[in-house]
Amino acid sequence: GQNIDQPTEMTATEGAIVQINCTYQTSGFNGLFWYQQHAGEAPTFLSYNVLDGLEEKGRFSSFLSRSKGYSYLLLKELQMKDSASYLCAVRDGRDDKIIFGKGTRLHILP
Amino acid sequence: DAEITQSPRHKITETGRQVTLACHQTWNHNNMFWYRQDLGHGLRLIHYSYGVQDTNKGEVSDGYSVSRSNTEDLPLTLESAASSQTSVYFCASSGGARESGVPEDTQYFGPGTRLTVL
Repeated sequence: GQNIDQPTEMTATEGAIVQINCTYQTSGFNGLFWYQQHAGEAPTFLSYNVLDGLEEKGRFSSFLSRSKGYSYLLLKELQMKDSASYLCAVRDGRDDKIIFGKGTRLHILP
Repeated sequence: DAEITQSPRHKITETGRQVTLACHQTWNHNNMFWYRQDLGHGLRLIHYSYGVQDTNKGEVSDGYSVSRSNTEDLPLTLESAASSQTSVYFCASSGGARESGVPEDTQYFGPGTRLTVL
């Protein structure tokens, strides 16, 4: 079967660091995406991992371990504008379809 | 500037009516997708297309249809709207990275249509 798990909600403080985890079980694996979605807006692409390790892009980093079926998104120096939902999406290696998790709603406190 | 648009942005209709939601992209992407997003379910794939005259069913296709007569447009039709189809609908396209290091099949989303069926 295909399953992607993320925490439903998280809360963090402005200026801090937060890690959003994603675990997945798919028939195959051919890449993992992270998207950001502000309330009432469209999802926007953040990062992509296909090999094990860390991809850094400014304040955001994404990590992948294929053997563990695990990824995380790390947000540093949190800003109020980072309050959003973060969607993990996996490309199934069997048919290349992209499957989205339900998303993690991140609340930033001042 | 190339983009993906959806219309209308908001729609209220009655049960049993036929409704069509428009999606138009100017990136010349071959792949287009329709999703619905509901609390507790995340994004669920309704239909998708890999090119002109190609359409495929997603995981929640019942009660919906699409047609692809050109590269730019993938309209979504609700044949007979039901209250269970009240949702936010997102169109997306892929088939050409817009920045280096980004895979070709990264999906870019339209602004969404909020549909209410009374």
